[in-house]
Amino acid sequence: AQSVTQLDSHVSVSEGTPVLLRCNYSSSYSPSLFWYVQHPNKGLQLLLKYTSAATLVKGINGFEAEFKKSETSFHLTKPSAHMSDAAEYFCVVRGGGYNKLIFGAGTRLAVHP
Amino acid sequence: DADVTQTPRNRITKTGKRIMLECSQTKGHDRMYWYRQDPGLGLRLIYYSFDVKDINKGEISDGYSVSRQAQAKFSLSLESAIPNQTALYFCATSDPSRTVTDTQYFGPGTRLTVL
Repeated sequence: AQSVTQLDSHVSVSEGTPVLLRCNYSSSYSPSLFWYVQHPNKGLQLLLKYTSAATLVKGINGFEAEFKKSETSFHLTKPSAHMSDAAEYFCVVRGGGYNKLIFGAGTRLAVHP
Repeated sequence: DADVTQTPRNRITKTGKRIMLECSQTKGHDRMYWYRQDPGLGLRLIYYSFDVKDINKGEISDGYSVSRQAQAKFSLSLESAIPNQTALYFCATSDPSRTVTDTQYFGPGTRLTVL
């Protein structure tokens, strides 16, 4: 069965410093992995997706994630945080035969001046 | 994403009331989904529909029903609302013919409070 674990429920960074949001996955086959972002009072927006092509995936707003099969990880990073990055981030794995998405519990990112 | 709209955006209701949440999309996607979000639990799938005649239960369908009125419309009903159905509800769509990963696109959500 597929599952994801987001290792931090809250992450706090200063503006201009790097962001690291950690995600480990479990999958019995080559997974499709996603990161979604949810800004306050907004819907979910797709940041990036891994589809078994390049292991380093670039997304919108300067975010990227690296798929590491040996570590079963798909961590999200950004070199320099911006105030507008403050939001909740969800790591997601696709599983099951009907495009079922399995969500992690979410990581809330706070960015301080 | 303005292509997926949900109404109402906020709703407060009382225990025992029937309530309907509506989702419309202009993306032309065949697949539609309803999720609920609870703090610390991420999103969980309630129902999904692969076309107008194909509706399936997700992981937490008890207490909910759905109707796919057209390709573009997918409604979620709570026949008799109870307080533990207080949550943020999301509609999503996808089109497997256009992307390898069948990416899902989400609406803005409906915040439902059951008193």
